[in-house]
Amino acid sequence: KQEVTQIPAALSVPEGENLVLNCSFTDSAIYNLQWFRQDPGKGLTSLLLIQSSQREQTSGRLNASLDKSSGRSTLYIAASQPGDSATYLCAVRTGANSKLTFGKGITLSVRP
Amino acid sequence: GAGVSQTPSNKVTEKGKYVELRCDPISGHTALYWYRQSLGQGPEFLIYFQGTGAADDSGLPNDRFFAVRPEGSVSTLKIQRTERGDSAVYLCASSLIGAALGNEQFFGPGTRLTVL
Repeated sequence: KQEVTQIPAALSVPEGENLVLNCSFTDSAIYNLQWFRQDPGKGLTSLLLIQSSQREQTSGRLNASLDKSSGRSTLYIAASQPGDSATYLCAVRTGANSKLTFGKGITLSVRP
Repeated sequence: GAGVSQTPSNKVTEKGKYVELRCDPISGHTALYWYRQSLGQGPEFLIYFQGTGAADDSGLPNDRFFAVRPEGSVSTLKIQRTERGDSAVYLCASSLIGAALGNEQFFGPGTRLTVL
């Protein structure tokens, strides 16, 4: 059974800092991995999707990397801003089954 | 076009009642998913439709939960004899299926269900 872990559960940083959010998964046979953002009381916004054959994806100040063999992904946020404060969730899609398996998320607070 | 929409946004019901939650996927998306998110947790898979049929319903917790997608577009999640433990945010997502597309899932805003 695929399990996704995100540690720590919460993170607080000052504005302007570069930061890395970690995600690990137990079964390396994944189809792809998605990073999502969730604001309080809201749904999920897809940030980046990395196919199993890819090593990284970039969008603006965000860069996601994937090391499938070690079961790890990181989300790098450059020059963090207070507007980046949210919960960031990592999810993997395993094999032919189309469901996503999520971690519990990391709640990020960027202090002005 | 419009994103995934879900109605109602909030639903408060009493224990034992029946509820229906609706999801309108992105137009043209053939795959539709339901997830449930409890406080402080990541979403947990419930059921996946490819077209009109349920391709994977392994996440439905018990037979009080049922979902339909009769015309391959709108889906309804139905919960019978609701229990307090059913209280959660129910999320719907849709995607286009195809290896080149990555099957990226797009989520709706969710329905917050509270069972008193």
